[in-house]
Amino acid sequence: AQKVTQAQTEISVVEKEDVTLDCVYETRDTTYYLFWYKQPPSGELVFLIRRNSFDEQNEISGRYSWNFQKSTSSFNFTITASQVVDSAVYFCALAEGGGADGLTFGKGTHLIIQP
Amino acid sequence: KAGVTQTPRYLIKTRGQQVTLSCSPISGHRSVSWYQQTPGQGLQFLFEYFSETQRNKGNFPGRFSGRQFSNSRSEMNVSTLELGDSALYLCASSFQDRKETQYFGPGTRLLVL
Repeated sequence: AQKVTQAQTEISVVEKEDVTLDCVYETRDTTYYLFWYKQPPSGELVFLIRRNSFDEQNEISGRYSWNFQKSTSSFNFTITASQVVDSAVYFCALAEGGGADGLTFGKGTHLIIQP
Repeated sequence: KAGVTQTPRYLIKTRGQQVTLSCSPISGHRSVSWYQQTPGQGLQFLFEYFSETQRNKGNFPGRFSGRQFSNSRSEMNVSTLELGDSALYLCASSFQDRKETQYFGPGTRLLVL
């Protein structure tokens, strides 16, 4: 069965610091999809990125970057020059290509950016 | 394009009652999934609907059910509410498949007393 582990329950940094959120996944499928979502206090999950298992290319979007490494089953998320508005809970999620379940989420990392 | 909408946003019910939550997906999206979020269990998949048919179901008791209408709008129902059903219920839509990007609504916060 698939599993997503976000070992960091809470991270607190000072504004402008760089921060990396870890995500480790488990799956038996060779085809799968990885996602990151942001959940601000309002509760709505905001989509950040989707990556399929055949695309290991890292991605950068503004201050956000993602490092996908199949060899270590990790899909880590880095925020450069963090801002107070980045404060939220961040979830990593997995969807198996052949499975029947919906997204499997990690427990989330609560990121606190202090001014 | 309007996002996923969910109604109501907040609900208070008592044990034993039933509740119906509604979700309108993004226009053109035909797959609707429901998730339950609690502090203890995190985000858990409830079920997915596509073309008015339940396509997938998570590990929840039969008290949790849903349906989808021809316009892709979806409802979920919880009967005989228990205290443990207190949660944030999130609806997500995608174009055709749960493996595509799912866009989430703001959720319905259900409190069972």
